[in-house]
Amino acid sequence: ETGVTQTPRHLVMGMTNKKSLKCEQHLGHNAMYWYKQSAKKPLELMFVYNFKEQIENNSVPSRFSPECPNSSHLFLHLHTLQPEDSALYLCASSRDRNTEAFFGQGTRLTVV
Amino acid sequence: ELKVEQNPLFLSMQEGKNYTIYCNYSTTSDRLYWYRQDPGKSLESLFVLLSNGAVKQEGRLMASLDTKARLSTLHITAAVHDLSATYFCAVDYSDSGYALNFGKGTSLLVTP
Repeated sequence: ETGVTQTPRHLVMGMTNKKSLKCEQHLGHNAMYWYKQSAKKPLELMFVYNFKEQIENNSVPSRFSPECPNSSHLFLHLHTLQPEDSALYLCASSRDRNTEAFFGQGTRLTVV
Repeated sequence: ELKVEQNPLFLSMQEGKNYTIYCNYSTTSDRLYWYRQDPGKSLESLFVLLSNGAVKQEGRLMASLDTKARLSTLHITAAVHDLSATYFCAVDYSDSGYALNFGKGTSLLVTP
């Protein structure tokens, strides 16, 4: 079983749909992250949670809504997305601050 | 705004050769990370550098950090095909210790 698991791996959604991405980590880490990886752009941090508390929100539009019910699970709720939101969404976890992050396989999102 | 610049962005090198990837950043930080990403795969942590002068080595890869010059290097020794991947450096400038700014990545191709 991999350390950080993301589901689904691929998602196609219309601009009026509501969907959720799920991330689960089995590493006993305290912090969880959402990153966005777009073509031709650097990896962008979206949100960080530590012990279920949001630590960072990198000016992400409200159509992306994170939820962290416990230290092992992280969700990203999506609604009324735009085509430019199509990207690879990566979840990661780390033991603590200033420690390496372990990434999941990502969800490839396409907004049509 | 923190900028993280990697060069080169694309690198084709022959097996057995040595080369260095550079990572420059614009704002003072002593926390720098190197990651590897294979095509279609997630990011894998390579090195964590947390102080000026830090040097870490793993196999044919060696990373160093010069915080005064705001420069990190990833040196490849006697390259082999298995090293073909995209390499990212990431700098943490945040007060929280959780926010990484990634470079655009260096796509490395090692050819026979």
